[in-house]
Amino acid sequence: GENVEQHPSTLSVQEGDSAVIKCTYSDSASNYFPWYKQELGKRPQLIIDIRSNVGEKKDQRIAVTLNKTAKHFSLHITETQPEDSAVYFCAAMGSAGNMLTFGGGTRLMVKP
Amino acid sequence: EAGVAQSPRYKIIEKRQSVAFWCNPISGHATLYWYQQILGQGPKLLIQFQNNGVVDDSQLPKDRFSAERLKGVDSTLKIQPAKLEDSAVYLCASSFRAGGSNTGELFFGEGSRLTVL
Repeated sequence: GENVEQHPSTLSVQEGDSAVIKCTYSDSASNYFPWYKQELGKRPQLIIDIRSNVGEKKDQRIAVTLNKTAKHFSLHITETQPEDSAVYFCAAMGSAGNMLTFGGGTRLMVKP
Repeated sequence: EAGVAQSPRYKIIEKRQSVAFWCNPISGHATLYWYQQILGQGPKLLIQFQNNGVVDDSQLPKDRFSAERLKGVDSTLKIQPAKLEDSAVYLCASSFRAGGSNTGELFFGEGSRLTVL
């Protein structure tokens, strides 16, 4: 089955700096890659997603890039703010059974 | 629009006891998922339903876990008997559609936090 690795597990940045979180996946047939943000004690919520026919997608301060050849994708947050502090999960959906497999998560801390 | 509803929010039981969790997905969502999220880890898929049929339950420990979605709407997840390592948050999610070029966003419920003593 699909295996998703996420790095780093923790990331601390100063307010206003950029943050980058990277994920790799194993199933070359995977075609959907969402990113979820989970605040402490809350449910995961989708912040951005990308499909396999696109290399990059941006939404205000958030962007995601996908390299299908290398089987990795990244989340980029620019001009970070304290409210960006949360745990971020990447995920990949394979073609077999349409399972969504999550990475282990990255705890992002934005220091004011 | 109402979100995914789950109950109970919290449950504390002793090992070897049983527990059941309930989920009501967003109206009209055909696909329902149960995930287990152990503290500090990413959600792990236990079972996926499409309407009232099972799409994938390869990671469900079938000797103690069971799930059903009899009428293709709400679902229950049962654990019997519980073990210490079952302590986790059980997240239910639903999506309008699943798979291929029609992949849809997953909407999660607040989760049911289980503590096994």
